[in-house]
Amino acid sequence: GIQVEQSPPDLILQEGANSTLRCNFSDSVNNLQWFHQNPWGQLINLFYIPSGTKQNGRLSATTVATERYSLLYISSSQTTDSGVYFCAVEARSGGSYIPTFGRGTSLIVHP
Amino acid sequence: DVKVTQSSRYLVKRTGEKVFLECVQDMDHENMFWYRQDPGLGLRLIYFSYDVKMKEKGDIPEGYSVSREKKERFSLILESASTNQTSMYLCASSQAGTDARSRFFGPGTRLTVL
Repeated sequence: GIQVEQSPPDLILQEGANSTLRCNFSDSVNNLQWFHQNPWGQLINLFYIPSGTKQNGRLSATTVATERYSLLYISSSQTTDSGVYFCAVEARSGGSYIPTFGRGTSLIVHP
Repeated sequence: DVKVTQSSRYLVKRTGEKVFLECVQDMDHENMFWYRQDPGLGLRLIYFSYDVKMKEKGDIPEGYSVSREKKERFSLILESASTNQTSMYLCASSQAGTDARSRFFGPGTRLTVL
């Protein structure tokens, strides 16, 4: 199956700092998604980004499908950004899209 | 709003007990998924179902079974719980033939097996 690697595994920031999270994947994929899991366990969809660049407030993401990686940028980090960030890729299998998740980047933002 | 609900947020069971984790979605989605999440390992797919009474094994089906008798409900069953099944369990649903844009997750069930 497809391998998904995320880096770094852990990240500690001071409030206001910027950061870049990376997701590498081993094969061509149909879709790529970034999630934030908050401290209560809820997974929140951040970006659906199989290719190109998207921005949403202080967050932006870029996927270069031909080189099999995606980047998530967090600018001016806030304590509410703390949590685990997951990258998930999908390849179509029959009539269904089967997702594979990376192991996540655990982010702690200190005030 | 799509709602995926899970029967319990926290559950404590004893080794050898039979455990049922329930997931219900209210958007008439065909696909439903069960994942477990462990620190440093991300989310791993246990089973998924693309229709009533249909099921497919994911990456780590050993020690688990599932039931999909109704479209809106997907149950994960631990026939004889073991301590290595202590984990966070997440359910998700999506429409048939669609991709990540339509996938929604439940709040998770944190299961502890003593």
